[in-house]
Amino acid sequence: AQSVTQLGSHVSVSEGALVLLRCNYSSSVPPYLFWYVQYPNQGLQLLLKYTTGATLVKGINGFEAEFKKSETSFHLTKPSAHMSDAAEYFCAVSERGAQKLVFGQGTRLTINP
Amino acid sequence: ETGVTQTPRHLVMGMTNKKSLKCEQHLGHNAMYWYKQSAKKPLELMFVYSLEERVENNSVPSRFSPECPNSSHLFLHLHTLQPEDSALYLCASSHSGLAGERGSYNEQFFGPGTRLTVL
Repeated sequence: AQSVTQLGSHVSVSEGALVLLRCNYSSSVPPYLFWYVQYPNQGLQLLLKYTTGATLVKGINGFEAEFKKSETSFHLTKPSAHMSDAAEYFCAVSERGAQKLVFGQGTRLTINP
Repeated sequence: ETGVTQTPRHLVMGMTNKKSLKCEQHLGHNAMYWYKQSAKKPLELMFVYSLEERVENNSVPSRFSPECPNSSHLFLHLHTLQPEDSALYLCASSHSGLAGERGSYNEQFFGPGTRLTVL
């Protein structure tokens, strides 16, 4: 069965610093990969997704992620953190043709002024 | 209205009450989902409906009863809930199709959620 591991349930960075949120998945074939963001008391919003083609994908709010098949990873990065980036981030995978997403446990990102 | 809407946004109910959560999607999708999100726990998939048929029920207690009357609407009927059922309930929708078919990546669009408190 698919599984998703997000390393670090809580990440704290300074404003202007690099953001790196880690995601590893287990799959024998390349899946579809997603990053979602959740602000307090709101639903999940899609940040970016990888389906096929270029392995470096760009999303909203300056985030990007790189699919590395050899490492079964899909880490999320942003060069310079902003206070408004404080939120919970979820990595998710979907097998091709599958009906559902499998989510990681989430990483809470805190931005220090 | 656009996207996925959920009503009510907040709900407080006693353990003997009966209430319903409503979800509506305006995206032309054909699959809808209910998730439960509790504090300090991973997102839990409860139910999946595809083409208005329930295709997944993840061992959810019978006090939660879903209903999908058409591809745009999804309900979650609640009765005799327990305090541990207090959580954020999220609805999502997606386009469900054959692998490789345009839009069949199972990208899910979420509503804002209903914050449920059971007293």
